[in-house]
Amino acid sequence: DIQMTQSPSSLSASVGDRVTITCRASQSISGYVNWYQQKPGQAPDLLIYAASHLQSGVPSRFSGRGSGTDFTLTITFLQPEHFATYYCQQSHSAPYTFGQGTNLEIK
Amino acid sequence: EVQLLESGGGLVQPGGSLRLSCAASGFTFSSYAMSWVRQTPGKGLEWISTISGSDRTDYADSVRGRFTISRDNSKSTLYLQMHGLRTEDTAVYYCAKRSTRSPGNVIYISEDDWGQGTLVTVSS
Repeated sequence: DIQMTQSPSSLSASVGDRVTITCRASQSISGYVNWYQQKPGQAPDLLIYAASHLQSGVPSRFSGRGSGTDFTLTITFLQPEHFATYYCQQSHSAPYTFGQGTNLEIK
Repeated sequence: EVQLLESGGGLVQPGGSLRLSCAASGFTFSSYAMSWVRQTPGKGLEWISTISGSDRTDYADSVRGRFTISRDNSKSTLYLQMHGLRTEDTAVYYCAKRSTRSPGNVIYISEDDWGQGTLVTVSS
């Protein structure tokens, strides 16, 4: 199975900050990465697919980059509604594993 | 608007069975693969199964042989039949609509829309 390792596991930031979350795959997976946002008590929401493509309706404050084994999710100009948990997922091959999550908290 | 509504969760004893349902609306159900993903506080998000529009199925090793995914396109409903439940199957179970896109002529998949989840608790 492909392991997805996210870092950091938690992150404190302020409104207006720029933050970057990293996800590393245990083997090369080209651009087969999705990023999700999850707020407490809610289901995950797709933000980015194919490493860098923004899901319809997602603001351009969110961006994704990477290929091979290293991927990043960047959020610019943090807003209060962005404080949530973020997950990466590899879509290269089954089982479609997720990272352990990054909890983005308000500083 | 895509809507996915899970039902069927509850408390079950170890070794027991349960069937989850997911009623879909707002899209052409038969045209999309559908997935089940579960979430536990300890293990996070775990993909467990997908069924294609043509009934091809795929399972995580953790549930293969115990869980069966199926769909009824006439009812726009997805199912997950669970047998031999274990305490480690305790989780919130989400159904999700899987999309396939091909930017740059490469096919990419993602779970685009999710239900609100149904809680399954396996305990004596």
